[in-house]
This record gives sequence, structure tokens and C-alpha cells, in this order.
Amino acid sequence: GQSLEQPSEVTAVEGAIVQINCTYQTSGFYGLSWYQQHDGGAPTFLSYNGLDGLEETGRFSSFLSRSDSYGYLLLQELQMKDSASYFCAVRSTGSARQLTFGSGTQLTVLP
Amino acid sequence: ETGVTQSPTHLIKTRGQQVTLRCSSQSGHNTVSWYQQALGQGPQFIFQYYREEENGRGNFPPRFSGLQFPNYSSELNVNALELDDSALYLCASSFGGAGELFFGEGSRLTVL
Repeated sequence: GQSLEQPSEVTAVEGAIVQINCTYQTSGFYGLSWYQQHDGGAPTFLSYNGLDGLEETGRFSSFLSRSDSYGYLLLQELQMKDSASYFCAVRSTGSARQLTFGSGTQLTVLP
Repeated sequence: ETGVTQSPTHLIKTRGQQVTLRCSSQSGHNTVSWYQQALGQGPQFIFQYYREEENGRGNFPPRFSGLQFPNYSSELNVNALELDDSALYLCASSFGGAGELFFGEGSRLTVL
């Protein structure tokens, strides 16, 4: 099976940089994804790492180290609208390639 | 906006009843998966449908069942509702199942 660990809460100020870590244990691995979910809203895809290294998409970057079973999401130039829950998720080796999500990190951006 | 729509958005049922939730997938997507999200937790995989066949299931009992129709829309049915079934039920569509998931806003079910 799969299990993921990420911090439950992170607080930062507008304009700052924040890193949300994710460690995982899995019997099979097809990549690490990140999703954002605002209160009452749909989770939306942010980033995917299938191979080791850094992926950059605008203000968001994501990193993966498969040897350490570790990844992180980096958010730069924080804005108030970035206040949300962030989930890391691993894709299984089952036929459905379903995602297993972590419990989420609640990011609060202060003015 | 992801193009994935779910109905109803909110509903209240009593223990023992049955519920049907509906999902219209994004145009061009042939795979639908359903997730249950309890308050303060991450989404948990229920099952996935690809071309009208269930091709994967999470750790949920048989009273959770589903359908996918030829137009790739989908239903989630839950029989014999229990209090612990109270949650946000999310539908996600994708092309082929291994790509990025596009989630709907969810159906919030309260079981009394």
C-alpha cells in the first residue's frame, strides 16, 4: 500500500517563500503529484514529478527525490489567494493507477 | 472551471437510506474516478471506470457501487447509508486514467 506524510499546517506572510514537504512509502511508484484545494472547492492540479529533479511552473515548483522517497512543493511570492490546502499524492501500480493522497497541508498566508 | 459537474451539491439522508450521486466528465475524457473526502482529510479513492468498466477499486465495501455511461458520465450509488458515510464525494475525470485528474466541486453528503 501507500502512505504519505506532510505537515498539517504552514503559515507565511505575503511575498515570502514557503516549502511544503512530503515523504511517502509505497510498494510501487509512478510519480508524485500536487493538488491545491480552496475551502469548499474542487482540488486542482498543480504539478507532477515522474523523475528526480525540479519542475517549475510559474510561482510554483515541485521537487522529487525517488531515492529518498521525498518531495516538496515550493511556492514563491506568496499571495493571499494561495491560502488553501495542498495535497501530495502518489500514483499506484494498480490497474487504475489511482492516486493516494496525503492528509493535506493547510497554508495560511498573512498580510 | 474544470468542466466536471456534479449533482446534487448538497444532500441530507438518514441512516439506512440509499443515495445516487451524478457526475458529467470533461469533454474528451474517457475515465472517471470517485473519491471520498472526510473533513480535514485528503481524498480517498473509491473506484474508477474506464470505458464503462470498473478497472480499480479502493478499500470500500460493496454497498458503494457505480456506473459509467456511453457518454462517459457516471453515477456513484451508496446503499444502507451509515453515519461515517458523511463526507464530500468528488468525481474526477481524465483521459486514460494515468494523467492529471480534473475534479468537480463535489457532492456534500450528510447522514443523520
